[in-house]
Amino acid sequence: GAVVSQHPSRVICKSGTSVKIECRSLDFQATTMFWYRQFPKQSLMLMATSNEGSKATYEQGVEKDKFLINHASLTLSTLTVTSAHPEDSSFYICSAHRGFLMNTEAFFGQGTRLTVV
Amino acid sequence: DAKTTQPNSMESNEEEPVHLPCNHSTISGTDYIHWYRQLPSQGPEYVIHGLTSNVNNRMASLAIAEDRKSSTLILHRATLRDAAVYYCILFRDDKIIFGKGTRLHILP
Repeated sequence: GAVVSQHPSRVICKSGTSVKIECRSLDFQATTMFWYRQFPKQSLMLMATSNEGSKATYEQGVEKDKFLINHASLTLSTLTVTSAHPEDSSFYICSAHRGFLMNTEAFFGQGTRLTVV
Repeated sequence: DAKTTQPNSMESNEEEPVHLPCNHSTISGTDYIHWYRQLPSQGPEYVIHGLTSNVNNRMASLAIAEDRKSSTLILHRATLRDAAVYYCILFRDDKIIFGKGTRLHILP
């Protein structure tokens, strides 16, 4: 089956530094990918929609200059958390669909746990 | 955002069927109903989806009410590995918005 892979699965960084998270669709092309964050014991919150070859669409309240999204190819989207602070510590998850969004399953990455110290 | 309502938690005995309800009274005609589940420290996993008719796959069955304002995910024979948070989602505007989900506990 289709697989979406995230890297790294776990990262610890110092406050003020930037961290890049990669999301790859391994056996299909994805023109659209989604980025979520999840705090402990809470549900996933959609951050942004990543569109190949164009700017990402951010959800209300998500700082686009803080969370930089690049979708340079049909199999790779990256999320960069810039100038990270401890409150950015969270579980970040990406997803992609193989075909027509609404009528196909979403494949999720295994998630990246970011800890900012 | 398309809203769904699910019980916060449910319990079931191992090897028994589980019926997970979901209310979505504001569903529109083009909204697909998706179910995903999430195990601890993992990304969500697809379970099943449908539009109007009941659906079956190797993991579960999805029963959709005739008026589409509610649906039920059916796990036919629960195992300990089915313990997870189950999310019922209306797929609208080309994006998946997660609600709070139902935490399913399986008792051995």
